[in-house]
Amino acid sequence: EADIYQTPRYLVIGTGKKITLECSQTMGHDKMYWYQQDPGMELHLIHYSYGVNSTEKGDLSSESTVSRIRTEHFPLTLESARPSHTSQYLCASSPQFSGANVLTFGAGSRLTVL
Amino acid sequence: AQSVTQLDSQVPVFEEAPVELRCNYSSSVSVYLFWYVQYPNQGLQLLLKYLSGSTLVKGINGFEAEFNKSQTSFHLRKPSVHISDTAEYFCAVSGGPGGGADGLTFGKGTHLIIQP
Repeated sequence: EADIYQTPRYLVIGTGKKITLECSQTMGHDKMYWYQQDPGMELHLIHYSYGVNSTEKGDLSSESTVSRIRTEHFPLTLESARPSHTSQYLCASSPQFSGANVLTFGAGSRLTVL
Repeated sequence: AQSVTQLDSQVPVFEEAPVELRCNYSSSVSVYLFWYVQYPNQGLQLLLKYLSGSTLVKGINGFEAEFNKSQTSFHLRKPSVHISDTAEYFCAVSGGPGGGADGLTFGKGTHLIIQP
């Protein structure tokens, strides 16, 4: 079944550690996104990609970085985690020519930085 | 620029009662509108979408929404709610400053609380 997968689902880590949140989709979608969801539940776009080798920053400034070497894979990396990075991170994808841009979301990665 | 306003942060409703979750948007261009639902510890799931055509849109789990261009609204309704409908509901519009040119701009969410 076509889907979008995020790992890890939950991560508790100490300050200063490097972390990578994985996101993979099996739907062949060209466009992929990372949203950050704060404790108040509001969603903010932090990164997006139109396809391989394409990455763009979203409307919320983030210290994280992303890469898109393969169509199906869009990992997010924090070089040095801080408590302010504690949040839920949601990955999503959509077809390139969907017109309406219907997003399919993963289950999320909840990051806690101590 | 596009934006979405969800007028209620929290809506308590008794089981089997009807519910309406309000959403207003602002946009200078034609829009596509969406409602997503988020259950605890889950990602977002698409409930329904308005792209064009009939202004009354039916979605999953008995939900429906009506697009009203003159009032720039896209309110979500269900005639009879169940305990399982307890979740966070997000209204979204395509494009805009929060949408990265092609993503979605979301409202702040409405927490639907079903009381037995």
